[in-house]
Amino acid sequence: NAGVTQTPKFRVLKTGQSMTLLCAQDMNHEYMYWYRQDPGMGLRLIHYSVGEGTTAKGEVPDGYNVSRLKKQNFLLGLESAAPSQTSVYFCASRHNANTGELFFGEGSRLTVL
Amino acid sequence: GDSVTQMEGPVTLSEEAFLTINCTYTATGYPSLFWYVQYPGEGLQLLLKATKADDKGSNKGFEATYRKETTSFHLEKGSVQVSDSAVYFCALSQGTNAGKSTFGDGTTLTVKP
Repeated sequence: NAGVTQTPKFRVLKTGQSMTLLCAQDMNHEYMYWYRQDPGMGLRLIHYSVGEGTTAKGEVPDGYNVSRLKKQNFLLGLESAAPSQTSVYFCASRHNANTGELFFGEGSRLTVL
Repeated sequence: GDSVTQMEGPVTLSEEAFLTINCTYTATGYPSLFWYVQYPGEGLQLLLKATKADDKGSNKGFEATYRKETTSFHLEKGSVQVSDSAVYFCALSQGTNAGKSTFGDGTTLTVKP
């Protein structure tokens, strides 16, 4: 079972470059989320989606954009990367908004020089 | 807004020692509570959960009880193993909030032989 798959797993960017992280889930989940993980700060929600064609801002959305054109995919874009966006990014999905657990991808480590 | 406060780490124990990681929360309504575990280089995975007051979640020898009166969800294990070394995250989610989860900062556990 693939579960939640993130690509790429590692990427190095120069300041000002753009890139897209892809998250794909094969569990037919409605809800999908992008988090970033920084040392000592837990996980912070960037953007989320409650269904195909919908997106919404999370706690730290500035500098990021997202799209959910297909139910199984949730894309996170950085239009002009900054060193402050150096982080590990996790995608997660869930079936049930309240009681359901989150299923996480393995993470994408992004370094912006 | 919702918040989760975890016992600060890191925590270092000898094999077979008793483990407690404290977690308290602030939330309106009736959230579900979760413990996730992250092994090095991996994404988070569900360890256990509880969806209503007085429920006890358990898995792999770990337990936590949803205490509404003290707004707590402390993680315990009677005898830890070296393989339990990981980062542990307490989290809550509310269905009324698009299933967005709030995470604690994480507690790093190291178990020495």
